[in-house]
Amino acid sequence: LAKTTQPISMDSYEGQEVNITCSHNNIATNDYITWYQQFPSQGPRFIIQGYKTKVTNEVASLFIPADRKSSTLSLPRVSLSDTAVYYCLVGDRNYGGSQGNLIFGKGTKLSVKP
Amino acid sequence: DTGVSQNPRHKITKRGQNVTFRCDPISEHNRLYWYRQTLGQGPEFLTYFQNEAQLEKSRLLSDRFSAERPKGSFSTLEIQRTEQGDSAMYLCASSLLAGAGEQFFGPGTRLTVL
Repeated sequence: LAKTTQPISMDSYEGQEVNITCSHNNIATNDYITWYQQFPSQGPRFIIQGYKTKVTNEVASLFIPADRKSSTLSLPRVSLSDTAVYYCLVGDRNYGGSQGNLIFGKGTKLSVKP
Repeated sequence: DTGVSQNPRHKITKRGQNVTFRCDPISEHNRLYWYRQTLGQGPEFLTYFQNEAQLEKSRLLSDRFSAERPKGSFSTLEIQRTEQGDSAMYLCASSLLAGAGEQFFGPGTRLTVL
């Protein structure tokens, strides 16, 4: 599985756009990029997944350059409730080989201030 | 609520005691996963079921740990002779067999071993 590197923490203010970049230099051809969000004392929650270019849903956008060695999660106009840990994961569509377990790093702790 | 549920939410036990946690996945999901998460770290994979078959176990899952999913529905995770190092959040997740990498996590069971 490709290793990912992301900032340990980020600070932002309400109403700002937040971009969290994840590096995955060894991404394989079959790998997808997925982001999860985790609030304290809760399980992670799927945010978005993409393979290339741009993916957008009601929560976030995911930008993936042509070489796919990095990706950027973009959260528009964050609010206090977006304070959470964000995990970038890279793997094939079923992850972890044939079995599907997710491999999490330490994630990025986003703090949104008023 | 049709999400993943876990019971109990909190468990405090003394070292050497046995504990059992239960996970009820989303009803139509074939796959069920157990993860463990300690403070400041991302979740770590423990084991995985496809229907009632336990298909993979992490090396983190020592002989004191056992998991079952007897009828392919709910699952239990038992820890025998608990140690202080077992203190963690135990997360359960489920997904469809053909799920595109999206796993649905429960709220977790926080275990404290005194």
